[in-house]
Amino acid sequence: QQQVKQSPQSLIVQKGGISIINCAYENTAFDYFPWYQQFPGKGPALLIAIRPDVSEKKEGRFTISFNKSAKQFSLHIMDSQPGDSATYFCAASFSLNKFYFGSGTKLNVKP
Amino acid sequence: GAGVSQSPSNKVTEKGKDVELRCDPISGHTALYWYRQSLGQGLEFLIYFQGNSAPDKSGLPSDRFSAERTGGSVSTLTIQRTQQEDSAVYLCASSFFGAQETQYFGPGTRLLVL
Repeated sequence: QQQVKQSPQSLIVQKGGISIINCAYENTAFDYFPWYQQFPGKGPALLIAIRPDVSEKKEGRFTISFNKSAKQFSLHIMDSQPGDSATYFCAASFSLNKFYFGSGTKLNVKP
Repeated sequence: GAGVSQSPSNKVTEKGKDVELRCDPISGHTALYWYRQSLGQGLEFLIYFQGNSAPDKSGLPSDRFSAERTGGSVSTLTIQRTQQEDSAVYLCASSFFGAQETQYFGPGTRLLVL
């Protein structure tokens, strides 16, 4: 049973455009929702994270939107750049002892 | 400072052989996690250590998989009698206890079982 479902699997965006990646979860006990960025040959790196007590969190060009009632959260990358081309993973946790990851979205930002 | 390191970076083995994968966490990080990333898939949780103890081993796929951590630092993931389906990238992450929201990942060990 997949605890966190992520879409789309791949995404192509023009430079300057908005990239949107969506995740849905089932377990209402989850209380921490991070997004990770992974470049080829590297381990994932924490990008931005949110707790369910807020509906939105913004850090620079990256924004998480959180919809508790729909059990969905999404990552928005504004003014997407070629350097943003990477694989993005959403995740969820309720104890910080165990994290459930989505299947990943491969983003390609075309110049 | 140094990040999380893992060795070997690549490992090719024959089906049925045992392999050991090593993780050196960031100094002072008491929490340590192992994940498996199969081709084109997300990360699959394997095991979590707090210090030398493993309160959550629920992700280990079978009894062929085991892990230990000594001195609250280095961790070893052992896979016995490897199978082709064990082929994947094995990632290790560490964090400070009390700040486990931020996991720092190593570059992973790419395991190929022939």
